[in-house]
Amino acid sequence: QTVVTQEPSFSVSPGGTVTLTCALRSGSVSATSYPNWYQQTPGQAPRRLIYSTNIRSSGVPDRFSGSILGNKAALTITGAQAEDESDYYCVLYMGSGFWVFGGGTKLTVL
Amino acid sequence: VQLVESGGALVQPGGSLRLSCAASGFTVSNDFMTWVRQAPGKGLEWVSVIYSGSSTYYSDSVKDRFIISRDTSKNTVYLHMNSLRVEDTAVYFCARDLGGQDEVWGQGTLVIVSS
Repeated sequence: QTVVTQEPSFSVSPGGTVTLTCALRSGSVSATSYPNWYQQTPGQAPRRLIYSTNIRSSGVPDRFSGSILGNKAALTITGAQAEDESDYYCVLYMGSGFWVFGGGTKLTVL
Repeated sequence: VQLVESGGALVQPGGSLRLSCAASGFTVSNDFMTWVRQAPGKGLEWVSVIYSGSSTYYSDSVKDRFIISRDTSKNTVYLHMNSLRVEDTAVYFCARDLGGQDEVWGQGTLVIVSS
């Protein structure tokens, strides 16, 4: 059973804007879920893009931004570039020491 | 600041293995340390955490089979894996301060459970 859900795949044109979301199967995502977003290419460790909803990790381009949209966490890429084609994962804090990752979104830039 | 995982290997179902995560540039006992795994072609899965106060937590999929621990003299965190199953096959990553400002990940170590 998938507790944290993400779109399995998404497509964006170069220069376009895309918003990926991260939802709870039951309940709402809020700031107290401390949503984090990761980018991962095959064979590599994940690279953290966003933590605590909307704080960019060091060195992350400002075309990546995080937010809460309605009852979901969101990662927006504004002005997508070819190198943004990757897998994206969110992770949410569930309380009592537990974190849960979403299933990931495969982003295609074409 | 660096994390280096080791100990991954090919092991038979029902077997045991100990993974190590050696830290440099910080003290593991001052932070919470997490193990995350990724099965081949699959997504990331949170596995276990040890907090600075020594509290530990496990995902349902590994509870009662895996044990997380640390050795402050070696500045290393371990994942003791028992009763291994085919579905435990994955790259295992360790991470410092998951979700926090000082988060760092290692490059991972591969565990293959197969007969």
